[in-house]
Amino acid sequence: KAGVTQTPRYLIKTRGQQVTLSCSPISGHRSVSWYQQTPGQGLQFLFEYFSETQRNKGNFPGRFSGRQFSNSRSEMNVSTLELGDSALYLCASSLEGQGTHNEQFFGPGTRLTVL
Amino acid sequence: GEDVEQSLFLSVREGDSSVINCTYTDSSSTYLYWYKQEPGAGLQLLTYIFSNMDMKQDQRLTVLLNKKDKHLSLRIADTQTGDSAIYFCAFDSSYKLIFGSGTRLLVRP
Repeated sequence: KAGVTQTPRYLIKTRGQQVTLSCSPISGHRSVSWYQQTPGQGLQFLFEYFSETQRNKGNFPGRFSGRQFSNSRSEMNVSTLELGDSALYLCASSLEGQGTHNEQFFGPGTRLTVL
Repeated sequence: GEDVEQSLFLSVREGDSSVINCTYTDSSSTYLYWYKQEPGAGLQLLTYIFSNMDMKQDQRLTVLLNKKDKHLSLRIADTQTGDSAIYFCAFDSSYKLIFGSGTRLLVRP
């Protein structure tokens, strides 16, 4: 079974631009979560989707948005990029999400650099 | 809000045991996790413990949970150089994971 895939793996953008990151979950997994990892703030939760519905959202400005498609693939979008958005963005998928133990499988991440 | 703390760095000699500690403030989690991150990679789930358990052993890994002191630990027996990585404790809460800051484990040959 293929793991969680994220595209692109690396991205360089300039301030003010927007970016879209993509995540394909493991086949059969319906929950997709996104996390931002930075040296200063560590791993922080962005949002979680299940069956195309956002069930939880972290403490990020409205510039950060996401969506999930009917095939469970997910995208996240960051508009008006700032230098502080430079980070590793991790996507995780699970069968059903948290609450009961459903292991979250992480992708390799997308490294975003904002110049 | 939730707060999870870990020590930043641990250095051990190959073959010794490693103990990575984690303290937390929110005790409502059902499951508590330990993840491993190697350079340039995503997170790999190592093990987890249900909140009504005190201990769980999984091959070289032992997880201890002290709910009274809100303390979680991960013991790695016979630590190998391949265990060098960053280790994160994490807690589930409302469809998300809350992570500690991570402990960098360095295994010296």
